[in-house]
Amino acid sequence: DIQMTQSPSSVSAYVGDRVTITCRASQNIRTWLGWYQQKPGQAPQLLIFAASNLQTGVPSRFSGSGSGTDFTLTISSLQPEDSATYYCQKDGAFGGGTKVEIK
Amino acid sequence: EVHLVESGGGWVQPGGSLRLSCVASGFYFPNYWMSWVRQAPGKGLEWVANIKGDESEKYFVNSVKGRFSISRDNTRNSVDLHMDRLRAEDTAVYYCAKLTVVTGQFWYFDVWGRGILVTVSS
Repeated sequence: DIQMTQSPSSVSAYVGDRVTITCRASQNIRTWLGWYQQKPGQAPQLLIFAASNLQTGVPSRFSGSGSGTDFTLTISSLQPEDSATYYCQKDGAFGGGTKVEIK
Repeated sequence: EVHLVESGGGWVQPGGSLRLSCVASGFYFPNYWMSWVRQAPGKGLEWVANIKGDESEKYFVNSVKGRFSISRDNTRNSVDLHMDRLRAEDTAVYYCAKLTVVTGQFWYFDVWGRGILVTVSS
């Protein structure tokens, strides 16, 4: 079974900062990766599919990259509404999550 | 607009049963795989089960195999999760999700319901 490992588990940054979250797969998954955002008390929402494709309606400050086993989610200019937990996913395997907080 | 609305959650004793339902709107339901994903209190996301549009394929996470089943009614745009022999560790918010499947390569959850809480406790 594929294992997904995210780092860091949490990050604190200022509004306007660039934030990068990493996801590593235990085997080559090409570009078959999704990213989700979950705000407190809410359901997750799809941000990015197939590693780098922005879901409709998602702000362009979010971007994804990577292939094989190593992937990144980047928030180019952190906004207050981006405070959330972010998860990567390949099929039935989710990463452990990265909590993003605003300083 | 696409919507998924779950119902049927609540409290149940260990060993008991519960049925969750999800009603979909805003898309042609029979064409899509559907899924259930859960989240234990304070924990991350865990995929539970998938069902294909025509019910010909069903998949489960190992921890629920033999205890949970999944079904759908394409005339009612609904998908159910039948949970038997429930354990304390099944306590979670259960989300219904619409799947997009890249055949043989990848599937992802592009629409989620708000979730419903299942508590298994004596």
